[in-house]
Order: sequence, then C-alpha cells, then structure tokens
Amino acid sequence: EPEVTQTPSHQVTQMGQEVILRCVPISNHLYFYWYRQILGQKVEFLVSFYNNEISEKSEIFDDQFSVERPDGSNFTLKIRSTKLEDSAMYFCASEGVGTGQETQYFGPGTRLLVL
Amino acid sequence: AQTVTQSQPEMSVQEAETVTLSCTYDTSESNYYLFWYKQPPSRQMILVIRQEAYKQQNATENRFSVNFQKAAKSFSLKISDSQLGDTAMYFCAFMKHHNNNDMRFGAGTRLTVKP
Repeated sequence: EPEVTQTPSHQVTQMGQEVILRCVPISNHLYFYWYRQILGQKVEFLVSFYNNEISEKSEIFDDQFSVERPDGSNFTLKIRSTKLEDSAMYFCASEGVGTGQETQYFGPGTRLLVL
Repeated sequence: AQTVTQSQPEMSVQEAETVTLSCTYDTSESNYYLFWYKQPPSRQMILVIRQEAYKQQNATENRFSVNFQKAAKSFSLKISDSQLGDTAMYFCAFMKHHNNNDMRFGAGTRLTVKP
C-alpha cells in the first residue's frame, strides 16, 4: 500500500541553524501539507501546497519557514535560523484528488530537537 | 472557525472489552469530513476511520465504528474487542469539504488497554 515517507526520522540541530525536512508524498496525490506537534500538545496545521504554490498557511508559518517541491517527488520544509521553540514533531501529509479522495495520509514524522 | 474538543484526556479499558472515545466539534459548515487518527508511542499518525458529514450511515472499519450525530455535532469512536495494540493517543479531526483544506485536531485522548 502506498505511503508517505519522511526523512530524517530524527534531527538534532543548534539554535540558529537551518534545517530541511523532506517528504515523499503518495505518488498520485496533488495536495501536500505540513503539520507540527509540540510534545504533549495537539497537532497544528502549518501550510498547504498545491500546483507548486502555497494554498494556505497558518500564523505559525512565518518568514522563517518555506516549502518547496524541487522535483516530481519530494516536498520539503525549510526552517531558517531555528529557535528552541521549533522543537517538535513535523508531519507531512498528502491527499488525493477528487470526490472520495478527501483524506490526508500522514508520514511517520521527523522529530526535530533544537539545542 | 472550526474547533474540535476531546473532553477525555485519558481512558483505560480491559482487553477484549469495548470503549468509546468522545469528540465534539463546532462549525457553521454543512458539509465536511471527520476523522479519527491513532498515534502509538512511535508517534506516527495512522488513519483509523473517516466519516463524510452528508452520509447518515455511521462509518465502520473492522473493530472500529463511529456514532456520528450531526445535529449534536458529536463524533464518538467505539473500539470493540480492545487489543493491547490499541494502546495509543487518539485524535479526532475535522476538515472542510473538498480537497485542499487544513485539518483541525482535538487535544487527544490517551487510551490504555490493560491485559
């Protein structure tokens, strides 16, 4: 069964460094998302992406964040100048097109720790 | 704005018994989707069940079923014949109709299945 994959599974970085989180969505999906979950808290929406552009973003998704689909398979989240409060689990999700396909499938997550 | 409330932070159930997890939501939309996701200790987000609001029939997936009460804006999850592997956090989530909409999550219910 097709699944969303994410790399790395864990990332430790120093405050102020840049990190890139990578995702490979399900191959025939066209809608892509990033969410984050701070330890012990609920899952929060960051950004949605369709047709090579951002569709919607939350107030969390400020100028420090960017997303890109550099090729036909990868979907990346870049965090510039990481802060301690960026430590969280980051989930990528993808969604198929059309009626009956409105379900987001999540990847296994990247656990980011900023020191 | 849509909000999702899970009023039970923790629950426990004996193996082979039945347990029901509660979820309520608030929306002005008439058409939408509701989901239950399971998050085991690995922290992966696994889709358990999906309900389309315009369908009156409650969704079922093997041992998992929902009680969807649209007028009451209630969406509870029933787990029958609980198994040790069901131990996890369970998140209720709301998504507006059509593709490319962010999901809103509840705070989660931590379920422990006891042998």
